[in-house]
Amino acid sequence: DAGITQSPRHKVTETGTPVTLRCHQTENHRYMYWYRQDPGHGLRLIHYSYGVKDTDKGEVSDGYSVSRSKTEDFLLTLESATSSQTSVYFCAISGDRSQETQYFGPGTRLLVL
Amino acid sequence: GESVGLHLPTLSVQEGDNSIINCAYSNSASDYFIWYKQESGKGPQFIIDIRSNMDKRQGQRVTVLLNKTVKHLSLQIAATQPGDSAVYFCAENKGGQNFVFGPGTRLSVLP
Repeated sequence: DAGITQSPRHKVTETGTPVTLRCHQTENHRYMYWYRQDPGHGLRLIHYSYGVKDTDKGEVSDGYSVSRSKTEDFLLTLESATSSQTSVYFCAISGDRSQETQYFGPGTRLLVL
Repeated sequence: GESVGLHLPTLSVQEGDNSIINCAYSNSASDYFIWYKQESGKGPQFIIDIRSNMDKRQGQRVTVLLNKTVKHLSLQIAATQPGDSAVYFCAENKGGQNFVFGPGTRLSVLP
């Protein structure tokens, strides 16, 4: 998984609780991404980061926030989890050049009850 | 992006046969494409990529073909093996770091 770890790998939580997912990379890549994957859908971008403290929204950012205080770590926070946020979350990384390949982590399976 | 549905299209092939998985993309200006393999419970794994200045690119047992006229991409897997069973999806680069991912095709290899 290209030097990418995600934690936790599985989480069950209740509606209304805050949840933070962590992505850690050892590749020193500039770009980091959070995607969600739902049945029948392609991966959808939530947020991405182009450097420490530099982040931007993706296609499905509502209800999510992110932070990147170090090159190697990118956190995704669900401030108040909802059942519609039940999904599998993938972190990805890529280098500096335009149109670089994105490499994915192993994923976090989140169930919101 | 591609149309969505609850059930992925499935391709079943006999072990040892060749597999062809197809993908239609949306933007004629897109010029970089990737194929990923995703096994159950795992993250997507890079297989092969192709840029629009090429029609064909070969890897180990895999070939990607790009037809820009009809905006179509295909992945060919030679001598399909049980370990090839997975979901395969294409990614279309929309510029910079912006990719659109297809929902995928499930490849099932029959003994």
